[in-house]
Amino acid sequence: GAVVSQHPSWVICKSGTSVKIECRSLDFQATTMFWYRQFPKQSLMLMATSNEGSKATYEQGVEKDKFLINHASLTLSTLTVTSAHPEDSSFYICSATAGMGAFFGQGTRLTVV
Amino acid sequence: TQLLEQSPQFLSIQEGENLTVYCNSSSVFSSLQWYRQEPGEGPVLLVTVVTGGEVKKLKRLTFQFGDARKDSSLHITAAQPGDTGLYLCAGANNQGGKLIFGQGTELSVKP
Repeated sequence: GAVVSQHPSWVICKSGTSVKIECRSLDFQATTMFWYRQFPKQSLMLMATSNEGSKATYEQGVEKDKFLINHASLTLSTLTVTSAHPEDSSFYICSATAGMGAFFGQGTRLTVV
Repeated sequence: TQLLEQSPQFLSIQEGENLTVYCNSSSVFSSLQWYRQEPGEGPVLLVTVVTGGEVKKLKRLTFQFGDARKDSSLHITAAQPGDTGLYLCAGANNQGGKLIFGQGTELSVKP
């Protein structure tokens, strides 16, 4: 199947700093990627749809100025959590669709201290 | 708003038992996908069902898509501890790959 690589796997940052998470499609091109947030033992919550060459589409309640998304190429989307606070601590996952399924990155565990 | 109701949300069983997970919706989906996720990792695609009434088997796992393409089930036969994980169903409606996820089923299989 298609491979999506997400980096870093985990990151610890200080409150007030920004963190960038990368999502790459390794063996296919993805004009659209998706960013999710997941709380322990819960399902995935869609944050935004990342569109190559255009603005991301954010779900209701997600602050676009806090969660900056850039999709500069057909294989790379980035999510930047700006001015992170402890409540932003979570598991962030990206995905891209190939064929009849979605393929997910390994996820990034963000801890803001 | 399309919703997928997944049940049960938690399931703890003994090795060797059978189980079924359900996903139901009032909406029609173009396809439905099942994923398994282990702690600290991203979900892994198990199967995609597309045709109403379709049944797919993956070793001890049997997936079924309802005739009206509104519901789906995952049946595991003779569960093993290695089946432990979070199972997620997700419906697609041809809107640019956007998926609607169920709440997930946390399965624990005890030896």
